[in-house]
Amino acid sequence: ELKVEQNPLFLSMQEGKNYTIYCNYSTTSDRLYWYRQDPGKSLESLFVLLSNGAVKQEGRLMASLDTKARLSTLHITAAVHDLSATYFCALGGGADGLTFGKGTHLIIQP
Amino acid sequence: GAVVSQHPSWVICKSGTSVKIECRSLDFQATTMFWYRQFPKQSLMLMATSNEGSKATYEQGVEKDKFLINHASLTLSTLTVTSAHPEDSSFYICSASRTGGRETQYFGPGTRLLVL
Repeated sequence: ELKVEQNPLFLSMQEGKNYTIYCNYSTTSDRLYWYRQDPGKSLESLFVLLSNGAVKQEGRLMASLDTKARLSTLHITAAVHDLSATYFCALGGGADGLTFGKGTHLIIQP
Repeated sequence: GAVVSQHPSWVICKSGTSVKIECRSLDFQATTMFWYRQFPKQSLMLMATSNEGSKATYEQGVEKDKFLINHASLTLSTLTVTSAHPEDSSFYICSASRTGGRETQYFGPGTRLLVL
C-alpha cells in the first residue's frame, strides 16, 4: 500500500523567508504531483515530476524529486502572502487514482 | 484547454434522499475519471475509478451500492449518493486525465454536499 507523508503539516512563516515542504513516499511511482488548494476551492496543479532528479520551477516555487530517497521537496523562495494555501503532494496518475499526502497548511504573514 | 466541470457546485438535501453529481470534461475525452472525497481540514481520498463503458472500481471501504457511478460517455461521469446521511456531507471532487495521457490529472471545481 502506497503511503505518502508530508511535513510539516502546518507552517506559519513571514514574507521574504525561504522554506521547504517535504514529501516522503513508501513505494516507487511513475509520477509525483504537487497541488495547491485555496480555502473552499478545488485543486490547482503546480508540478508533475516524472523522473529522478527532476526539478521544476514556477515563480517562487521549485519542486524536485529524488526517487532513490523516495522524497520530493517543494521549496518556497522569498515567500509572499499570495502563496498562503494548502499544498498537497500526490502519487499515482495515468490509469490510477492519486494517493495524497495530508497536506501542508501554509500561512505567510506580512 | 483541459477543463473539468462539476454540477452542482453545492447541494443541500434531506437525510434519506439521493443526490446526483455530474463531472464533465469540456474540451477533451477522458476514458477514466476519478472521484475523491475531502472532509473538512483533511486530505483527498480516492473513492472510485470510473471507466467509460464499464463498471467503476471502488476503493476499499467505499460502499458501491451507496455511491453509484456511471460513466456513460468519454466526457461525462456521474456520482449518485443514495439514501444520503449527514455523515456523507463532504466535498466531492472529480478528476480526469486525457485519453492516452499519462501526466496531469485535471480536477473539477468540486461539489459541496450538506445532508441535513
